Amino acid sequence: DTGVSQNPRHKITKRGQNVTFRCDPISEHNRLYWYRQTLGQGPEFLTYFQNEAQLEKSRLLSDRFSAERPKGSFSTLEIQRTEQGDSAMYLCASSGGGGSTDTQYFGPGTRLTVL
Amino acid sequence: GNSVTQMEGPVTLSEEAFLTINCTYTATGYPSLFWYVQYPGEGLQLLLKATKADDKGSNKGFEATYRKETTSFHLEKGSVQVSDSAVYFCALSPNAGKSTFGDGTTLTVKP
Repeated sequence: DTGVSQNPRHKITKRGQNVTFRCDPISEHNRLYWYRQTLGQGPEFLTYFQNEAQLEKSRLLSDRFSAERPKGSFSTLEIQRTEQGDSAMYLCASSGGGGSTDTQYFGPGTRLTVL
Repeated sequence: GNSVTQMEGPVTLSEEAFLTINCTYTATGYPSLFWYVQYPGEGLQLLLKATKADDKGSNKGFEATYRKETTSFHLEKGSVQVSDSAVYFCALSPNAGKSTFGDGTTLTVKP
């Protein structure tokens, strides 16, 4: 098992453009989480899925953000009409499977820079 | 709502010194508690966890005890090494739901 993977690792875009990130969780994990981390802060929850169902979405999350997990495996996070304030590290984590269900394992993150 | 408060950093220690990073939390129910570590240029790695009151998590010489009465989960290590230099995050997670993180404490260990 290679752990949680995220692509791309870095994304630079211009303000107003749309971006999409992908997360591949650990294969037997049924829960998948998205977080955002800015410099000097801890990760901030965005949304999470159990299988293909999106169970919770942060109230702080703008309508410009949308996430999907269509087949209960990989997930995508799309940001429409990006703003400079969206610049951050976007982290994906997964949990579940046969072992401890509450431990979240994180991917390396996608660093977004909006110019 | 849930919240986690960590001692502010940065923390600078000499090699072989004793480390304590304080963490207190506010939560409903009985969440699991975690310490994650983030080395420079890398992602978050689970360091240790505890799932119920009085549990002690331990890994790589680090320890933390789930103290329900003081709502704390302080991280300790008896003798730090230069390789322990990283950012440490305390977190809680109720029943496999979303995690709530502290703002992190940067540790620098000097030889």
